[in-house]
Amino acid sequence: GENVEQHPSTLSVQEGDSAVIKCTYSDSASNYFPWYKQELGKGPQLIIDIRSNVGEKKDQRIAVTLNKTAKHFSLHITETQPEDSAVYFCAASPIYNFNKFYFGSGTKLNVKP
Amino acid sequence: DADVTQTPRNRITKTGKRIMLECSQTKGHDRMYWYRQDPGLGLRLIYYSFDVKDINKGEISDGYSVSRQAQAKFSLSLESAIPNQTALYFCATSDLVGTGWFFGPGTRLTVL
Repeated sequence: GENVEQHPSTLSVQEGDSAVIKCTYSDSASNYFPWYKQELGKGPQLIIDIRSNVGEKKDQRIAVTLNKTAKHFSLHITETQPEDSAVYFCAASPIYNFNKFYFGSGTKLNVKP
Repeated sequence: DADVTQTPRNRITKTGKRIMLECSQTKGHDRMYWYRQDPGLGLRLIYYSFDVKDINKGEISDGYSVSRQAQAKFSLSLESAIPNQTALYFCATSDLVGTGWFFGPGTRLTVL
C-alpha cells in the first residue's frame, strides 16, 4: 500500500521567515495531495491541495509543489505569522479510490514572534 | 454551527468498559470515517462508510466496531477498552470524489 513520509517532524522559524515541509509517497497511482492544518484542540482543516496534473498551486502565503517523477510534494509558507503555528499533515490518494488515502506523520510548526 | 460534531470531547474510562463515541454531520456527505491519532503516527483509519448500508474496515479495526445509524450519524464503539486504545479520535466526512474532507474536533479518550 501507500507509504507517506513527512519531514521534518518539528520546525521552528522566526516570524516573517519561510517554512517548508516535505512529503514523499510510494504509490504511483496517487494523484491527489492535500495538506491539513491542525490547531490545538481542533480537528485537521484542509488548507490547500493539488492534483497530479498541476506542478504548483498557490493561495496567498501558502503554496504546494508536486514532483510526480520523484514522488514528492512540499508545502511552502511564506512570511510566517504566529497564527501559522500548528501541526501540518500531508496526505496522498488516488481520487475516487478512498482505500488508498494515507496521511503523513505530521510536522509541528512553531513560529516565534 | 460546526459541520462535524463529536461527543464526548473527552472521556476517561477503565479497562474492560464499553465505550461509544458519536459523530454527527450537517454536510450532507455520504462518506464518513473514523480515524485515530497517536503522537508521531499521524492519522490512521479505523473504519469507513460510503453510505448507510456500506461499512468497511480500515487499517486498524481490531478492537473497534461501528454503526451508521443514518446518513448524518456514525458511531464508533470499543467493546472492551484497553489502555493502548488511549488516543485522540477523529470523525471525518467527505464528498463523493474524496477531495472535500471535513474533520470533527476530536474525542480524547483515556483508558486506565
